Amino acid sequence: EAQVTQNPRYLITVTGKKLTVTCSQNMNHEYMSWYRQDPGLGLRQIYYSMNVEVTDKGDVPEGYKVSRKEKRNFPLILESPSPNQTSLYFCASSPYRGSTEAFFGQGTRLTVV
Amino acid sequence: KQEVTQIPAALSVPEGENLVLNCSFTDSAIYNLQWFRQDPGKGLTSLLLIQSSQREQTSGRLNASLDKSSGRSTLYIAASQPGDSATYLCAVRMDSNYQLIWGAGTKLIIKP
Repeated sequence: EAQVTQNPRYLITVTGKKLTVTCSQNMNHEYMSWYRQDPGLGLRQIYYSMNVEVTDKGDVPEGYKVSRKEKRNFPLILESPSPNQTSLYFCASSPYRGSTEAFFGQGTRLTVV
Repeated sequence: KQEVTQIPAALSVPEGENLVLNCSFTDSAIYNLQWFRQDPGKGLTSLLLIQSSQREQTSGRLNASLDKSSGRSTLYIAASQPGDSATYLCAVRMDSNYQLIWGAGTKLIIKP
């Protein structure tokens, strides 16, 4: 089954404690991206990757890092989480950038206290 | 800068009614527009895609229209069912960089 898998689904952490949210896709897609969703706002893109070892900033990259060492995996790293990073995070993948075919993970609800 | 607005933020209607969800955008130079459905804990699912040259798309009980010149799209849901309860998001893709720009969504509740 074609899918994007995020882990963990829920996470409560404390300010400053480094964390990683994993994302994996099994469709051999080139393009992957991370979004955050906050109440009253549309999804905002954090980072994206057009292929292995190719990553770039989205609209709200501050406080986040990503890596793309393998095609299937695109982890989101918060080196020093702060309360303003409390949000619902989605990973997505597409065959290529601009493709209308997009698959989304189930989301990770992160709370930073 | 493109802005996408969805009004209302929430809508509750009795089962069986036909309803319309609205999406407006400020820059008409879009490449396409998509409607998505978001269910809690299940991610997002694409419902309909309208290319900039198209006026509407239909899938089952769903019909999406696009009026680029006025910066509007509507999602029409016929004969609503409790299973249609979800948050509906619209997103536009610009010509320039293919980035999706999202509205905040309309949370729809269909009462049995």
